[in-house]
Amino acid sequence: KAGVTQTPRYLIKTRGQQVTLSCSPISGHRSVSWYQQTPGQGLQFLFEYFSETQRNKGNFPGRFSGRQFSNSRSEMNVSTLELGDSALYLCASRLPGQGNGYTFGSGTRLTVV
Amino acid sequence: QQQVKQSPQSLIVQKGGISIINCAYENTAFDYFPWYQQFPGKGPALLIAIRPDVSEKKEGRFTISFNKSAKQFSLHIMDSQPGDSATYFCAASLRGGADGLTFGKGTHLIIQP
Repeated sequence: KAGVTQTPRYLIKTRGQQVTLSCSPISGHRSVSWYQQTPGQGLQFLFEYFSETQRNKGNFPGRFSGRQFSNSRSEMNVSTLELGDSALYLCASRLPGQGNGYTFGSGTRLTVV
Repeated sequence: QQQVKQSPQSLIVQKGGISIINCAYENTAFDYFPWYQQFPGKGPALLIAIRPDVSEKKEGRFTISFNKSAKQFSLHIMDSQPGDSATYFCAASLRGGADGLTFGKGTHLIIQP
């Protein structure tokens, strides 16, 4: 059974640009959430989607957005990139009714220069 | 506001010893307390989790001890092995999980052979 797949694995962008990251959840998982991981702030919740609807959003500026498609695949977008957006972006998925047992992907390493 | 405090930041244990990592939380509405293990270049992987109606849960060499009145929980790794060397994160979430996981800052564990 394939795990959570995130693409691309690595990305280098310039300040002011925008970026889109992709996540394919485990087959059958309909909840997808995104996290930002940095050495200073650790792992922080960005948002969660279920059935194409955003259920909640963490404490991040409006430059961070996301969406989920009917096949449960999800994308997150960061506009007007800042140096501080450099991080590992992790996607996680879970089955509804599975409690809170998230399975994480290996992440997309974003570097903003 | 850091809602989950994790200690120690780093830990060195001899092979065969017991590794103990502690976490304290503030929000009494938290309903689910997982531990994740992360290796370099990989996303966090769920190790073991507990709900507040249970004081202890054991899975193989991994045990969670939970103290609801003290708002603390800990991970014990028995017979620690070099392959256990990784970063460990405690986390907590509200019922349903839509607000995502709130993570501790992580513990870098090194098991010396």
